[in-house]
Amino acid sequence: DAGITQSPRYKITETGRQVTLMCHQTWSHSYMFWYRQDLGHGLRLIYYSAAADITDKGEVPDGYVVSRSKTENFPLTLESATRSQTSVYFCASRGTGDSPLHFGNGTRLTVT
Amino acid sequence: KNQVEQSPQSLIILEGKNCTLQCNYTVSPFSNLRWYKQDTGRGPVSLTIMTFSENTKSNGRYTATLDADTKQSSLHITASQLSDSASYICVVSFSSGTYKYIFGTGTRLKVLA
Repeated sequence: DAGITQSPRYKITETGRQVTLMCHQTWSHSYMFWYRQDLGHGLRLIYYSAAADITDKGEVPDGYVVSRSKTENFPLTLESATRSQTSVYFCASRGTGDSPLHFGNGTRLTVT
Repeated sequence: KNQVEQSPQSLIILEGKNCTLQCNYTVSPFSNLRWYKQDTGRGPVSLTIMTFSENTKSNGRYTATLDADTKQSSLHITASQLSDSASYICVVSFSSGTYKYIFGTGTRLKVLA
């Protein structure tokens, strides 16, 4: 099925552990994004990618790493998880021009 | 400072009633404004896009308006249904075709039977 999928849906990890959140889209969209959603804040951009092998920082990149070796995949890694990274993470992709963002259903991450 | 503010934060209405959600923005340069619907536990889904030259646009029971002079937008929901219970997020794009978006914090709507 066409779409954008995130895995896992839920994740509990301990402080200091490395965690990787996966994102896969089937549209071959050039642009992909990682956002975090926290109460009282709008969605905040962590990293984005304009194409394979092209990534750049967003508003809140500290503590996160991304890669994009293939157009369809855009994993997000928390190198050493902290409690402040407890959040809901959304991956999105977008086609050309002013086409809308297409979001996955999110990963709820809890860091204990 | 580029900002998007939405009001009210939350709203409860009875099924069948109408409601209007507000979005004020201070984003420059403005490209377009989208309204997204986010169901609980799901990602946001685009409802409609408003560009600088558009005043009103409808998508079924959803009607969006844009006043570019006052930098205000509204989303009107007609004859609400239980399935309209969701968060509605206003998103302003900086300039065409870029990654630059400013998200509002959303209005949480609950429709009661």
